[in-house]
Amino acid sequence: QVQLVQSGAEVKKPGASVKVTCQASGYIFIDYYIHWVRQAPGQGLEWLGIINPSGGTTTYAQRFEGRVTMTRDTSTSTVYMDLTSLTSEDTAVYYCARAGLASAFDIWGQGTVVTVSS
Amino acid sequence: EIVLTQSPGTLSLSPGETATLSCRASQSVSGSYFAWYQQKPGQAPRLLIYGASNRATGVPFRFSSSGSGTDFTLTISRLEPEDFAVYYCHQFVSTPETFGQGTKVEIK
Repeated sequence: QVQLVQSGAEVKKPGASVKVTCQASGYIFIDYYIHWVRQAPGQGLEWLGIINPSGGTTTYAQRFEGRVTMTRDTSTSTVYMDLTSLTSEDTAVYYCARAGLASAFDIWGQGTVVTVSS
Repeated sequence: EIVLTQSPGTLSLSPGETATLSCRASQSVSGSYFAWYQQKPGQAPRLLIYGASNRATGVPFRFSSSGSGTDFTLTISRLEPEDFAVYYCHQFVSTPETFGQGTKVEIK
């Protein structure tokens, strides 16, 4: 079935970087854009950016520019999200999501918990 | 940046009642680039409505949506126990894409 499977939970120290993976299956990987969204504990949803798996082009939310990098590997149908210079405010569940039905997010990964703590 | 403001923050209702959730945008949004999601504790969001009024696959008919421009509404008729959750609106007409802060529908 169509699914996005994300990597496991991470615990990082302030100032470190984290790399979250999102592997797609059940559909043609390069046909759908992938977004990254995060959710801090008890909070709402925040958009980080988007990657076109076909050409690898990206657009990032301005507040994350310079700290986030999204890449993909078409051979494994995997998208990666790197976030650097972590602070406690980056503690959140990170989701990848497919832009499917009319570009709405129709398939979501299960989420990756990233905890930033000294 | 388009700010989406949802109201009310919490809606306390009983099963069988109708829930009316509102989402107001700070700028006009084409309905084609608007969606609603449902999120239950410990789960990823689930797409309910896309293109402002189209139900996603498997979404019951009791979920409906309307609106255009700056005002959008999600209606849940005859609430079922599994409908008690948090609902988010989402605009993707421009970047950064944004979400409302959520409306929690809780059991009264």
